[in-house]
Amino acid sequence: EPEVTQTPSHQVTQMGQEVILRCVPISNHLYFYWYRQILGQKVEFLVSFYNNEISEKSEIFDDQFSVERPDGSNFTLKIRSTKLEDSAMYFCASSGLAKEQFFGPGTRLTVL
Amino acid sequence: AQTVTQSQPEMSVQEAETVTLSCTYDTSENNYYLFWYKQPPSRQMILVIRQEAYKQQNATENRFSVNFQKAAKSFSLKISDSQLGDTAMYFCAFMSLTTGANSKLTFGKGITLSVRP
Repeated sequence: EPEVTQTPSHQVTQMGQEVILRCVPISNHLYFYWYRQILGQKVEFLVSFYNNEISEKSEIFDDQFSVERPDGSNFTLKIRSTKLEDSAMYFCASSGLAKEQFFGPGTRLTVL
Repeated sequence: AQTVTQSQPEMSVQEAETVTLSCTYDTSENNYYLFWYKQPPSRQMILVIRQEAYKQQNATENRFSVNFQKAAKSFSLKISDSQLGDTAMYFCAFMSLTTGANSKLTFGKGITLSVRP
């Protein structure tokens, strides 16, 4: 059964460093998303991506964040200069025309 | 903007019994989907069930069923014959269909369900 994959599973970084979180969506899906979940809190939408451009972004998704689909299979989230409050679980999701979003296993980001 | 409310922070149920998890939402839209996602301790988000707002019939998936009350904006999840593997956090989520096919999910705060042996 096809699934969304994410790497790494856990990333530890120093405050101010850049991180890139990687996702491989389900191959025939067209819509891609990033969400985050701070420990113990609800899942929050960051950004959606379609046809090689951002279609919607939340207030959280400021200039420090960017997304890219560099090669037709990977979908990346970059945080340019991490802050302590960026520590969270980051989920990638993808969907096809059926609109059901399938989530990856998440990347736990720890900013020290 | 849409909001999703899960007012019960946690529930407990005996194995093999039935439990109902509550969810309410607020929207001015008429065309949307509702979902329940399960998040076990591994923190993977797993889709449990989906309901289209235009359908009057409640969705069912094996032991999982919903009670969708559109007028009341209520969307509860019933788990029958609870199993130990059902122990997880459950999130209710809303998706508008008005803004296009790649609409975001808006989640509630979640409810922690514990199944007792």
